[in-house]
Amino acid sequence: QVTLKESGPVLVKPTETLTLTCTVSGFSLSDAGVGVSWIRQPPGKALEWLAYIFWNDEISFSTSLNSRLTISKDTSRSQVVLTLTDMDPLDTGTYYCARIWPFSSGRGLIDYWGQGALVTVSS
Amino acid sequence: DIQMTQSPSSLSASVGDRVTITCRASHDIINYVAWYQQKAGEVPKLLIYAASTLQSGVPSRFSGSGSGTDFTLTISSLQPEDVATYYCQKYKSAPPTFGQGTKLEIK
Repeated sequence: QVTLKESGPVLVKPTETLTLTCTVSGFSLSDAGVGVSWIRQPPGKALEWLAYIFWNDEISFSTSLNSRLTISKDTSRSQVVLTLTDMDPLDTGTYYCARIWPFSSGRGLIDYWGQGALVTVSS
Repeated sequence: DIQMTQSPSSLSASVGDRVTITCRASHDIINYVAWYQQKAGEVPKLLIYAASTLQSGVPSRFSGSGSGTDFTLTISSLQPEDVATYYCQKYKSAPPTFGQGTKLEIK
């Protein structure tokens, strides 16, 4: 079955770079139509889409965070990696990776979510 | 970027009530709208996509409608297990923006 699992640090200091890894199973990152999004949610607040990467290396970033984000994939390891530079306490929250429904029309409809990784930014 | 304005931000209703949540897009997005349900402490779950298509396994009391810029999620008869926060998302093109969420409680 399809699963996604986020991993990375629980605590980062202000100004540091956050690196999160999403390890997927049940599908391949090289399968045509496959994409993975990263979404975050500050405590008690709304979902915020961050970035996605598709099987063909099509990439898009949140406009407001574009200068701080990178995304890449390692197909052989079934992993998608997100980095967010210059971390601030306002970046505290749960970070989810999620599968974009393959061959769905448009861009970014999600059918499977990871369990999420809570990241706290504090000195 | 196209913005999604969701209302209300919170809602309290009685069991059995008909509940409506709306989302307005800042530009025409045809029918590229999804609705997700997030219960406390859980991961979001897809309820509806393409504005009105019910995801497999979702109870039929949930329905979606709308096209262009105005979209609606309706629960025909509210049940206790529907307590959650509901999010719309537009996915016509990047960025696939979420609405601000509607927290639904039982009165």
